[in-house]
Amino acid sequence: EAAVTQSPRSKVAVTGGKVTLSCHQTNNHDYMYWYRQDTGHGLRLIHYSYVADSTEKGDIPDGYKASRPSQENFSLILELASLSQTAVYFCASTAGTGTTEVFFGKGTRLTVV
Amino acid sequence: AQSVTQPDARVTVSEGASLQLRCKYSYFGTPYLFWYVQYPRQGLQLLLKYYPGDPVVQGVNGFEAEFSKSNSSFHLRKASVHWSDWAVYFCAVSMDTGGLSGKLTFGEGTQVTVIS
Repeated sequence: EAAVTQSPRSKVAVTGGKVTLSCHQTNNHDYMYWYRQDTGHGLRLIHYSYVADSTEKGDIPDGYKASRPSQENFSLILELASLSQTAVYFCASTAGTGTTEVFFGKGTRLTVV
Repeated sequence: AQSVTQPDARVTVSEGASLQLRCKYSYFGTPYLFWYVQYPRQGLQLLLKYYPGDPVVQGVNGFEAEFSKSNSSFHLRKASVHWSDWAVYFCAVSMDTGGLSGKLTFGEGTQVTVIS
């Protein structure tokens, strides 16, 4: 079973502080993604990556940076956290070829106060 | 730009009754469509997927969906609901079947509540 692990699972951050959300996958997948989910809404794509040391902007990248130091790890960075970034964040991965199923982590609940 | 609309934010259904969740999409080109389920405090799990071909696709746990190009729809159905189906269901569209299949556009989700 493919595995995507997110840490932390929950975090409270102070407005203006720096936040780093981590994602680790053991699927040997090339593609990784960061989504955010707001209460009562679907997921929206923030950043994604298809190879180590390279990231791409998704649909809502403003206020976020991403880092892909290795194939297995993909981080989402909030340099200056704001109240509007309170949400649940999901990491996902998928293979570059073959199976197209997307595997999601269990999410990180971020509360900015 | 592609978009997905799920017109029903909440659906309440009796255990054993049938269920239909609606999904409308807007997409220029050939869409690849998905239904995901999210159980409380969990990530998303794939129920089923549609690639161009047979318009009726079967998924896990007795779910099926029907694609209609003329109606731009991809409705989800289940003949007999179980209490374990209590969850949020998301319809999503992708423009790719390869690695970029993870670039999904999601609908707002439908909360399904099962009553006895």
